[in-house]
Amino acid sequence: ETGVTQSPTHLIKTRGQQVTLRCSSQSGHNTVSWYQQALGQGPQFIFQYYREEENGRGNFPPRFSGLQFPNYSSELNVNALELDDSALYLCASSRLAVSSYNEQFFGPGTRLTVL
Amino acid sequence: LAKTTQPISMDSYEGQEVNITCSHNNIATNDYITWYQQFPSQGPRFIIQGYKTKVTNEVASLFIPADRKSSTLSLPRVSLSDTAVYYCLVGGKAAGNKLTFGGGTRVLVKP
Repeated sequence: ETGVTQSPTHLIKTRGQQVTLRCSSQSGHNTVSWYQQALGQGPQFIFQYYREEENGRGNFPPRFSGLQFPNYSSELNVNALELDDSALYLCASSRLAVSSYNEQFFGPGTRLTVL
Repeated sequence: LAKTTQPISMDSYEGQEVNITCSHNNIATNDYITWYQQFPSQGPRFIIQGYKTKVTNEVASLFIPADRKSSTLSLPRVSLSDTAVYYCLVGGKAAGNKLTFGGGTRVLVKP
Protein backbone atom coordinates (compact mmCIF):
# COMPACT_ATOMS: atom_id res chain seq x y z
CA GLU A 1 0.00 0.00 0.00
CA THR A 2 1.51 3.33 -1.07
CA GLY A 3 1.45 6.14 1.46
CA VAL A 4 0.70 9.81 0.91
CA THR A 5 3.24 11.53 -1.30
CA GLN A 6 3.77 15.22 -1.92
CA SER A 7 5.74 17.21 -4.47
CA PRO A 8 7.90 19.13 -4.57
CA THR A 9 9.79 18.63 -1.32
CA HIS A 10 11.06 22.19 -1.19
CA LEU A 11 10.16 25.30 -3.13
CA ILE A 12 11.38 28.89 -3.16
CA LYS A 13 9.20 31.64 -4.60
CA THR A 14 9.08 35.42 -4.49
CA ARG A 15 6.28 37.65 -3.30
CA GLY A 16 3.43 37.97 -5.76
CA GLN A 17 4.14 34.70 -7.53
CA GLN A 18 1.81 31.74 -7.74
CA VAL A 19 2.54 28.19 -6.60
CA THR A 20 0.99 24.75 -7.09
CA LEU A 21 1.63 21.94 -4.65
CA ARG A 22 0.67 18.34 -5.38
CA CYS A 23 -0.48 15.41 -3.30
CA SER A 24 -1.17 11.78 -4.07
CA SER A 25 -3.48 10.21 -1.54
CA GLN A 26 -3.13 6.77 -0.05
CA SER A 27 -4.75 3.96 -1.97
CA GLY A 28 -8.42 3.55 -1.12
CA HIS A 29 -8.79 7.01 0.40
CA ASN A 30 -11.39 9.42 -1.00
CA THR A 31 -10.70 12.51 1.09
CA VAL A 32 -7.78 14.91 1.01
CA SER A 33 -7.14 17.70 3.48
CA TRP A 34 -4.52 20.41 3.31
CA TYR A 35 -2.83 22.04 6.28
CA GLN A 36 -0.39 24.91 6.71
CA GLN A 37 2.21 24.63 9.44
CA ALA A 38 4.26 27.68 10.33
CA LEU A 39 7.53 27.14 12.15
CA GLY A 40 7.00 26.16 15.77
CA GLN A 41 3.22 25.91 15.49
CA GLY A 42 0.67 23.18 14.98
CA PRO A 43 -0.82 22.53 11.55
CA GLN A 44 -3.74 24.76 10.57
CA PHE A 45 -6.58 23.37 8.44
CA ILE A 46 -6.86 25.03 5.01
CA PHE A 47 -9.56 22.97 3.29
CA GLN A 48 -10.73 19.47 2.54
CA TYR A 49 -11.85 17.76 -0.66
CA TYR A 50 -14.19 14.80 -0.79
CA ARG A 51 -15.04 13.18 -4.11
CA GLU A 52 -13.71 16.21 -6.03
CA GLU A 53 -15.82 18.73 -4.10
CA GLU A 54 -14.65 21.15 -1.42
CA ASN A 55 -15.94 19.80 1.88
CA GLY A 56 -15.06 22.51 4.35
CA ARG A 57 -12.63 25.36 4.61
CA GLY A 58 -10.59 26.90 7.36
CA ASN A 59 -9.79 30.57 7.91
CA PHE A 60 -7.75 31.11 4.75
CA PRO A 61 -8.32 33.73 2.02
CA PRO A 62 -9.65 32.85 -1.46
CA ARG A 63 -6.17 33.05 -2.97
CA PHE A 64 -5.74 29.59 -1.45
CA SER A 65 -7.59 27.22 -3.77
CA GLY A 66 -7.56 23.54 -4.51
CA LEU A 67 -8.61 20.71 -6.73
CA GLN A 68 -9.19 17.02 -6.30
CA PHE A 69 -8.98 14.73 -9.30
CA PRO A 70 -10.94 11.54 -10.11
CA ASN A 71 -8.02 9.45 -8.83
CA TYR A 72 -8.33 11.39 -5.53
CA SER A 73 -5.00 13.15 -5.93
CA SER A 74 -5.08 16.85 -5.16
CA GLU A 75 -3.50 20.22 -5.79
CA LEU A 76 -3.16 23.27 -3.58
CA ASN A 77 -2.78 26.56 -5.41
CA VAL A 78 -1.72 29.78 -3.78
CA ASN A 79 -1.88 33.04 -5.71
CA ALA A 80 -0.21 36.37 -4.94
CA LEU A 81 2.24 34.83 -2.49
CA GLU A 82 3.02 36.75 0.69
CA LEU A 83 5.98 36.41 3.01
CA ASP A 84 3.70 34.90 5.69
CA ASP A 85 2.85 32.05 3.33
CA SER A 86 6.25 30.57 4.09
CA ALA A 87 5.47 27.31 5.85
CA LEU A 88 5.32 23.54 5.64
CA TYR A 89 2.25 22.52 3.65
CA LEU A 90 0.88 19.15 4.63
CA CYS A 91 -1.53 16.95 2.77
CA ALA A 92 -3.51 14.27 4.58
CA SER A 93 -5.74 11.59 3.14
CA SER A 94 -8.46 9.55 4.75
CA ARG A 95 -11.48 7.45 3.99
CA LEU A 96 -14.37 9.67 5.01
CA ALA A 97 -16.95 7.60 6.79
CA VAL A 98 -20.42 8.45 7.93
CA SER A 99 -20.24 7.31 11.49
CA SER A 100 -16.69 7.54 12.74
CA TYR A 101 -13.82 9.94 13.23
CA ASN A 102 -11.23 8.60 10.87
CA GLU A 103 -7.50 8.56 11.15
CA GLN A 104 -5.75 10.83 8.70
CA PHE A 105 -2.53 9.87 7.00
CA PHE A 106 -0.13 12.72 6.40
CA GLY A 107 2.44 13.16 3.69
CA PRO A 108 5.95 14.49 4.41
CA GLY A 109 4.98 18.01 3.39
CA THR A 110 6.27 20.67 1.01
CA ARG A 111 8.47 23.36 2.51
CA LEU A 112 7.59 26.66 0.81
CA THR A 113 9.81 29.68 1.27
CA VAL A 114 8.61 33.06 0.01
CA LEU A 115 11.28 35.71 -0.41
CA LEU B 1 -14.73 22.44 18.12
CA ALA B 2 -13.48 21.72 21.60
CA LYS B 3 -10.27 23.52 22.50
CA THR B 4 -7.40 21.58 24.02
CA THR B 5 -4.73 22.66 26.47
CA GLN B 6 -1.52 20.71 26.97
CA PRO B 7 1.94 21.49 28.40
CA ILE B 8 4.30 23.24 26.02
CA SER B 9 7.22 20.94 26.73
CA MET B 10 8.41 18.00 28.82
CA ASP B 11 11.80 16.42 29.38
CA SER B 12 12.38 12.78 30.16
CA TYR B 13 15.10 10.13 30.14
CA GLU B 14 15.45 6.93 28.21
CA GLY B 15 13.54 4.06 29.75
CA GLN B 16 11.14 6.25 31.71
CA GLU B 17 7.39 6.49 31.24
CA VAL B 18 6.12 9.78 29.86
CA ASN B 19 2.61 10.98 30.63
CA ILE B 20 1.14 13.97 28.80
CA THR B 21 -2.16 15.32 30.05
CA CYS B 22 -4.52 17.26 27.81
CA SER B 23 -7.47 19.33 29.04
CA HIS B 24 -10.61 19.56 26.91
CA ASN B 25 -13.33 20.96 29.15
CA ASN B 26 -15.78 21.64 26.31
CA ILE B 27 -15.66 18.18 24.75
CA ALA B 28 -18.93 17.25 23.06
CA THR B 29 -20.79 13.99 23.50
CA ASN B 30 -19.80 12.61 20.11
CA ASP B 31 -16.19 13.82 20.18
CA TYR B 32 -13.28 11.42 20.09
CA ILE B 33 -9.85 12.16 21.56
CA THR B 34 -6.93 11.58 19.23
CA TRP B 35 -3.20 11.94 19.63
CA TYR B 36 -0.70 12.56 16.86
CA GLN B 37 3.10 12.51 16.92
CA GLN B 38 5.24 14.71 14.71
CA PHE B 39 8.98 14.55 14.07
CA PRO B 40 10.80 17.57 12.60
CA SER B 41 10.13 18.13 8.89
CA GLN B 42 7.62 15.27 8.76
CA GLY B 43 3.87 15.09 8.74
CA PRO B 44 2.01 14.15 11.94
CA ARG B 45 1.46 10.46 12.57
CA PHE B 46 -1.59 8.97 14.30
CA ILE B 47 -0.74 7.37 17.64
CA ILE B 48 -3.98 6.49 19.37
CA GLN B 49 -7.64 7.38 19.61
CA GLY B 50 -10.25 6.85 22.28
CA TYR B 51 -13.70 7.79 23.44
CA LYS B 52 -13.77 6.78 27.10
CA THR B 53 -11.91 4.70 29.74
CA LYS B 54 -8.63 3.23 28.56
CA VAL B 55 -7.25 2.36 25.17
CA THR B 56 -3.92 0.61 24.60
CA ASN B 57 -2.02 -0.22 21.45
CA GLU B 58 1.52 -1.28 20.68
CA VAL B 59 3.01 2.18 21.20
CA ALA B 60 0.91 3.99 23.81
CA SER B 61 -1.99 4.01 26.23
CA LEU B 62 -4.71 6.60 26.48
CA PHE B 63 -6.50 7.17 29.76
CA ILE B 64 -9.82 9.03 29.73
CA PRO B 65 -11.69 9.71 32.99
CA ALA B 66 -15.44 9.36 33.23
CA ASP B 67 -16.13 13.08 32.74
CA ARG B 68 -13.93 13.09 29.59
CA LYS B 69 -12.74 16.64 30.33
CA SER B 70 -9.13 15.54 30.15
CA SER B 71 -7.05 12.69 28.82
CA THR B 72 -3.55 11.36 29.40
CA LEU B 73 -1.26 9.89 26.79
CA SER B 74 1.19 7.44 28.31
CA LEU B 75 4.36 6.43 26.49
CA PRO B 76 6.03 3.48 28.25
CA ARG B 77 9.82 3.21 28.43
CA VAL B 78 10.64 6.01 26.00
CA SER B 79 13.73 6.00 23.81
CA LEU B 80 15.63 8.83 22.14
CA SER B 81 13.55 8.28 18.99
CA ASP B 82 10.41 9.28 20.88
CA THR B 83 11.64 12.89 20.92
CA ALA B 84 8.89 14.67 19.02
CA VAL B 85 5.91 16.98 19.31
CA TYR B 86 2.72 15.33 20.55
CA TYR B 87 -0.66 16.81 19.67
CA CYS B 88 -3.95 16.20 21.44
CA LEU B 89 -7.01 16.67 19.24
CA VAL B 90 -10.70 16.52 19.99
CA GLY B 91 -13.37 16.16 17.36
CA GLY B 92 -15.99 13.94 15.94
CA LYS B 93 -18.40 13.36 13.14
CA ALA B 94 -19.40 17.02 13.06
CA ALA B 95 -15.80 17.97 12.45
CA GLY B 96 -15.86 15.88 9.29
CA ASN B 97 -12.23 14.92 9.74
CA LYS B 98 -11.09 18.54 9.80
CA LEU B 99 -8.41 18.22 12.43
CA THR B 100 -7.80 21.15 14.75
CA PHE B 101 -4.28 21.15 16.13
CA GLY B 102 -3.14 23.15 19.11
CA GLY B 103 0.46 23.97 19.90
CA GLY B 104 1.36 20.46 21.00
CA THR B 105 3.80 19.24 23.66
CA ARG B 106 7.47 19.03 22.78
CA VAL B 107 8.90 15.95 24.43
CA LEU B 108 12.67 15.71 24.71
CA VAL B 109 14.07 12.32 25.69
CA LYS B 110 17.58 12.53 27.06
CA PRO B 111 20.14 9.71 27.27
